[in-house]
Amino acid sequence: GAGVSQSPSNKVTEKGKDVELRCDPISGHTALYWYRQSLGQGLEFLIYFQGNSAPDKSGLPSDRFSAERTGGSVSTLTIQRTQQEDSAVYLCASSWRGVEQFFGPGTRLTVL
Amino acid sequence: GQQVMQIPQYQHVQEGEDFTTYCNSSTTLSNIQWYKQRPGGHPVFLIQLVKSGEVKKQKRLTFQFGEAKKNSSLHITATQTTDVGTYFCAEIIQGAQKLVFGQGTRLTINP
Repeated sequence: GAGVSQSPSNKVTEKGKDVELRCDPISGHTALYWYRQSLGQGLEFLIYFQGNSAPDKSGLPSDRFSAERTGGSVSTLTIQRTQQEDSAVYLCASSWRGVEQFFGPGTRLTVL
Repeated sequence: GQQVMQIPQYQHVQEGEDFTTYCNSSTTLSNIQWYKQRPGGHPVFLIQLVKSGEVKKQKRLTFQFGEAKKNSSLHITATQTTDVGTYFCAEIIQGAQKLVFGQGTRLTINP
């Protein structure tokens, strides 16, 4: 593929609803990462996948956040019972040899 | 936990002036990466530095890694309007394979 793609590009939801964010990494990239970027802030690491396994889940903010990756490719980040503080841009990145990370365009999540 | 401090938070320059952003850590960094994020865009990898005292150049951009591997800098010579954006340094935490980002320096340029 041309690059990392994410969907939806924008998501507006009501507080308390669940949301699913999707990431399609670059074909052949074994590593996949999720980050969160609040308005005007830096990037906060959420979770990392090597293949389908997630050896490091330490960045997930709470147990309302979960992520999975299937077939060593597509990943979904699920946020249950969304809260207003979850509003942010969620960025996905993929990498082949763990050096350069290629970022997707992000999903802008707004929780009303 | 690991933390990379980046300064300044904001920098406004006249087009043609130079610009420098600095990253500092209280612990030895295994490596340092630099990313650029244009307004409304996503981070794009610029470079990785690994060796003590390493200096790398990309056209008008000069990247340095300190001798003690506790600091790094990005210097842009003669800024252009295309340089506008936020510049982040980041360290890959070996084993964890995650990037720990600095807070970023937002560069704006007066044409």
